[in-house]
Amino acid sequence: GAVVSQHPSWVICKSGTSVKIECRSLDFQATTMFWYRQFPKQSLMLMATSNEGSKATYEQGVEKDKFLINHASLTLSTLTVTSAHPEDSSFYICSARERRGRYTFGSGTRLTVV
Amino acid sequence: AQTVTQSQPEMSVQEAETVTLSCTYDTSENNYYLFWYKQPPSRQMILVIRQEAYKQQNATENRFSVNFQKAAKSFSLKISDSQLGDTAMYFCAFMKLTGANSKLTFGKGITLSVRP
Repeated sequence: GAVVSQHPSWVICKSGTSVKIECRSLDFQATTMFWYRQFPKQSLMLMATSNEGSKATYEQGVEKDKFLINHASLTLSTLTVTSAHPEDSSFYICSARERRGRYTFGSGTRLTVV
Repeated sequence: AQTVTQSQPEMSVQEAETVTLSCTYDTSENNYYLFWYKQPPSRQMILVIRQEAYKQQNATENRFSVNFQKAAKSFSLKISDSQLGDTAMYFCAFMKLTGANSKLTFGKGITLSVRP
């Protein structure tokens, strides 16, 4: 089946630094990828939708300059958390639309900002 | 806008027994998909079952089946012969068919514990 590889699975960074999270679709072309944030025991909160070759669409309340999304190819989308602060610590998950009605999720990245 | 409601935060079931997880949704759309996703402690999101709204027949995947009531906007998940590996958070989700970037709208989720 379709696989989305997400890296790193966990990362610890110092406050003020930037962190990049990658999601790759391994066996299909993902024209659309979705980025979510999830707090413990809570639901997935959609942050942004990225389309290959165009600017991402951010959900209301999500800072575009803090969460930079790049979808430069049909198989790779990246989320960069810029100038990270402790409140950015969370679990980040990507999801790629394989085809209509089919979504495949990455394994998630646990970000801890110290 | 679409909303998905999962009103039960937690449930517990004895191994080998049957449990039903509830989900209701609100939409003005006529064509859409509904999903149940499982998130075990590993936090990997796993598709459990999918239902197309235009299909009257309830979807079934092995021990998992749904009761889809379109008029009532209800979409419950039944897990038969519960297994310890079913312990996870379960999310109900909605996706409308119209629009180029149809996104998933998730419910708050329910934590299911299967007791040995």
